[in-house]
Amino acid sequence: AQSVTQLDSQVPVFEEAPVELRCNYSSSVSVYLFWYVQYPNQGLQLLLKYLSGSTLVKGINGFEAEFNKSQTSFHLRKPSVHISDTAEYFCAVGNNAGNMLTFGGGTRLMVKP
Amino acid sequence: DVKVTQSSRYLVKRTGEKVFLECVQDMDHENMFWYRQDPGLGLRLIYFSYDVKMKEKGDIPEGYSVSREKKERFSLILESASTNQTSMYLCASSFGGGGITGELFFGEGSRLTVL
Repeated sequence: AQSVTQLDSQVPVFEEAPVELRCNYSSSVSVYLFWYVQYPNQGLQLLLKYLSGSTLVKGINGFEAEFNKSQTSFHLRKPSVHISDTAEYFCAVGNNAGNMLTFGGGTRLMVKP
Repeated sequence: DVKVTQSSRYLVKRTGEKVFLECVQDMDHENMFWYRQDPGLGLRLIYFSYDVKMKEKGDIPEGYSVSREKKERFSLILESASTNQTSMYLCASSFGGGGITGELFFGEGSRLTVL
């Protein structure tokens, strides 16, 4: 069985400050990891994904995440946030059997001016 | 541009009513999914389908059923709505075999309130 834990339900941060959204996972099989973003009143869209290869993954809008196998983590980072980054962010892990994603509880990023 | 369209953004229903949530994708995807989104619980998978007329239970199928008569359309049915089914419902699709290595494309969601 797989599970995803997003350690912070809300993260307030000032504009232009750096941010890290934490994600830890448990999986007994090969790991495929994703971050999705949900802007207010919209569906989810893919921010970035780790399938294999380099452990540092770059996504859209200046976000990046690092896969750390020993710590079973996939934290999302951005060096300088904008007001427009205010959204809910979901970490997800894919299974090896096919076509299933397990999502974390979400982290609400609130960027303040 | 890829598109997953959910028929209703907002619905208000009464306890005991039958509710249909429709989802259509125009990307010729094999896989389609219904998730439920609740604060603090993230997204939980209700049902998914790999092909026409095929369906598989997700993590929380109780109280729901689905129908996939055509490849592009996946319907979620609440036979007798209850107040604990008040939630945001998200439909998603992906390429065949691509749920892991590919991307899930989501609709904008249907917010259901059951009174």
